[in-house]
Amino acid sequence: AQSVAQPEDQVNVAEGNPLTVKCTYSVSGNPYLFWYVQYPNRGLQFLLKYITGDNLVKGSYGFEAEFNKSQTSFHLKKPSALVSDSALYFCAVRDKGGGGSYIPTFGRGTSLIVHP
Amino acid sequence: NAGVTQTPKFQVLKTGQSMTLQCAQDMNHNSMYWYRQDPGMGLRLIYYSASEGTTDKGEVPNGYNVSRLNKREFSLRLESAAPSQTSVYFCASAKQGASTDTQYFGPGTRLTVL
Repeated sequence: AQSVAQPEDQVNVAEGNPLTVKCTYSVSGNPYLFWYVQYPNRGLQFLLKYITGDNLVKGSYGFEAEFNKSQTSFHLKKPSALVSDSALYFCAVRDKGGGGSYIPTFGRGTSLIVHP
Repeated sequence: NAGVTQTPKFQVLKTGQSMTLQCAQDMNHNSMYWYRQDPGMGLRLIYYSASEGTTDKGEVPNGYNVSRLNKREFSLRLESAAPSQTSVYFCASAKQGASTDTQYFGPGTRLTVL
């Protein structure tokens, strides 16, 4: 069975500093990995995904993520944090379900707080 | 395009009451999903519909039923609400439900069961 772990409930960073939000995964087949962001009182929005190819994936709002197969990790990064990046971040992995559909499994989420 | 829409946005029920949460998408997606979000629990899949005419149970289906009314609409019904169903409910859709598909989420329904 697939699983995703986000080991940090909360990450605090000062504006202008680099940020990292951690994610590790476990799947039986090829990993298809996603990051989503949730702003207060909103639904989740897609940030980026890793399917295959280059291990460094670039996404929306200046975010990127590095896929590391040996460490089974997919950490989200940004070189310079903004206060507006403060939100809840979810890592997700997809595996095969019924009817040919691939079912995503989400991590518990990491609250990112960027201090001015 | 409105994307994924959900109604209502807020709802308060008494224990034992029933209600239906509505979800619609205008992106011509085949797959649709219902999740609940609870503090510290992340998103948990309740039911999903890989395509029109099919539905399957997710991780936490007990106490819920779903209907894929047509390609656009996927409703979630609580037959007899319980306080444990107090949560934020999100509907999502994806083009094919394939491994590489991005999900698109609605704004959520905040449900309180007293």
